[in-house]
Amino acid sequence: DAGITQSPRHKVTETGTPVTLRCHQTENHRYMYWYRQDPGHGLRLIHYSYGVKDTDKGEVSDGYSVSRSKTEDFLLTLESATSSQTSVYFCAISPMTGPNYGYTFGSGTRLTVV
Amino acid sequence: GQQLNQSPQSMFIQEGEDVSMNCTSSSIFNTWLWYKQDPGEGPVLLIALYKAGELTSNGRLTAQFGITRKDSFLNISASIPSDVGIYFCAGQLEGTYKYIFGTGTRLKVLA
Repeated sequence: DAGITQSPRHKVTETGTPVTLRCHQTENHRYMYWYRQDPGHGLRLIHYSYGVKDTDKGEVSDGYSVSRSKTEDFLLTLESATSSQTSVYFCAISPMTGPNYGYTFGSGTRLTVV
Repeated sequence: GQQLNQSPQSMFIQEGEDVSMNCTSSSIFNTWLWYKQDPGEGPVLLIALYKAGELTSNGRLTAQFGITRKDSFLNISASIPSDVGIYFCAGQLEGTYKYIFGTGTRLKVLA
């Protein structure tokens, strides 16, 4: 496997509570990404990181924040979870950006907000 | 924002049949990637395409980078039950480093 793990794999939380998802990689890749996957929408980029403490927003970043204090860890936080954030969340890594590098994905975190 | 239209959305086929799916857009792409996702897992890269007209194979899978750079095609020959899953295309927009994903084609193979 590519050395990328997500935790937890499953979580149920209540509306209004904060939630943090963790992505851990052992590949020393520079770039890390958080996507959410919903039926009919495919994979949509939430936030990404291009280095320690360097992050930027994706297309669906509202209600989410991220942090990257170490190369190997990229955290996604839902400040106050809402039902619309029920989804499957995938972390991805790549060594570089540019035309010759695709992403390697983790196994996902299924989040249910009740 | 930019969109990738992937079709068909789903398909049932008989084992042994060939399968074709495609992604189209009004935007121009530098790179096309094709992924497969099994239930409960993340997408896994199948094929990467880097220039217009390129045709690349990976076993029974063949993908092509459209000559207009606005589309890509994936073919699976002689399908088998383990081909079941969701297939995603992803395109890297010209002038950016970001990939846009299609909505997926769900493939079901009937033995």
